[in-house]
Amino acid sequence: GIQVEQSPPDLILQEGANSTLRCNFSDSVNNLQWFHQNPWGQLINLFYIPSGTKQNGRLSATTVATERYSLLYISSSQTTDSGVYFCAVYKTSYDKVIFGPGTSLSVIP
Amino acid sequence: NAGVTQTPKFRVLKTGQSMTLLCAQDMNHEYMYWYRQDPGMGLRLIHYSVGEGTTAKGEVPDGYNVSRLKKQNFLLGLESAAPSQTSVYFCASSSGLYYEQYFGPGTRLTVT
Repeated sequence: GIQVEQSPPDLILQEGANSTLRCNFSDSVNNLQWFHQNPWGQLINLFYIPSGTKQNGRLSATTVATERYSLLYISSSQTTDSGVYFCAVYKTSYDKVIFGPGTSLSVIP
Repeated sequence: NAGVTQTPKFRVLKTGQSMTLLCAQDMNHEYMYWYRQDPGMGLRLIHYSVGEGTTAKGEVPDGYNVSRLKKQNFLLGLESAAPSQTSVYFCASSSGLYYEQYFGPGTRLTVT
């Protein structure tokens, strides 16, 4: 099956700092998504990004499908960005979605 | 719009008991999913549905059954609960298969 790795596993940022989270996957995929799970457990879809670049406010994501990785950029971080960020990939021929282990982000004032 | 709702929010079961978790969505989505999340792990897909009256197995389907009798509802059943099913269960829905999934708030289930 597809292996999904995320780095770093943990990250502590001062409020206002920028960060880059990485998601590597071991096989070509048909879609890739980034999710944020806040400290209260709620899961929010951030980006659906099988390839290319998308931006939404302070967040942006880039997926380079040919090199099997995706990056999530967080600029001017805020305490509300704290939580766990997951990437998830899907491949039609496997017919399953695989979540990475997540990056735990803590933004301190 | 309420989005995706789940009931109950918390439940404690004894080994061998049964229960049903209800997921409801008001976005007219065709696709619905049940996931479980265990401590320190990402989500694992239990079952999913590509439309009313259809269901399919995900990555960890054993011990669970599902039904999608109405488009807006997706039920997850545990016929004989086991301690290994202690987890947080999330329901999600989307307009396309694994496309921009919207998640419910989760159900925390403990099996003693």
